Amino acid sequence: EIVLTQSPDFQSLTPKEKVTITCRASQSIGSSLHWYQQKPDQSPKLLIKFASQSISGVPSRFSGSGSGTDFTLTINSPEAEDAAAYYCHQSSSLPYTFGQGTKLEIK
Amino acid sequence: QVQLQESGPGLVKPSQTLSLTCFVSGGSISSGSLFWSWIRQHPGKGLEWIGYIYYSGTTYYNPSLKSRVTMLVDTSKNQFSLKLSSVTAADTAVYYCAREVRGLGYFDSWGQGTLVTVSS
Repeated sequence: EIVLTQSPDFQSLTPKEKVTITCRASQSIGSSLHWYQQKPDQSPKLLIKFASQSISGVPSRFSGSGSGTDFTLTINSPEAEDAAAYYCHQSSSLPYTFGQGTKLEIK
Repeated sequence: QVQLQESGPGLVKPSQTLSLTCFVSGGSISSGSLFWSWIRQHPGKGLEWIGYIYYSGTTYYNPSLKSRVTMLVDTSKNQFSLKLSSVTAADTAVYYCAREVRGLGYFDSWGQGTLVTVSS
């Protein structure tokens, strides 16, 4: 099973100040890494697919990068509504696995 | 726009079987290009993938739960189901159903989730 480790676990978010979340895989997964946003009492929402591909309807301030074992989700000029939990997910091999999550709160 | 809706008992007794159904609307569950998954989230914790089912009935279960999981599909009702046997308090979680485009691996549509509590 591939283990995904996110950092940080928690971060205070200052509006307009760039946020970076990292996800490291226990073995190479190519670009089979996806990012989700989950707001309180909501189901996860797909943000980025295949490490860096944008999703229709997702604000352009969200971007992703990386390949192999190291990946990054960046939120440029975050807004208050971006306070949420963020999860990475690998689909390179079964069973699918998720990172433990990163919780962003408004400072 | 496809929508998924979970349903089932919110309370299950220890050692019994948890049973949930996911109804799919706005699209056919029989599409050959889709997998249908169950994912759970323990209170305040991260996401755990339970497994998926294809419209033909082909399944893959997470090895961590494989001995207790059964997934079925009912194409006539456009729904699929999850059964988890011999539950304990550790199975208390929000259970989500989700759609995956076959071969792509990401979940592009999710149900709203249903909380299942295991308690006597």
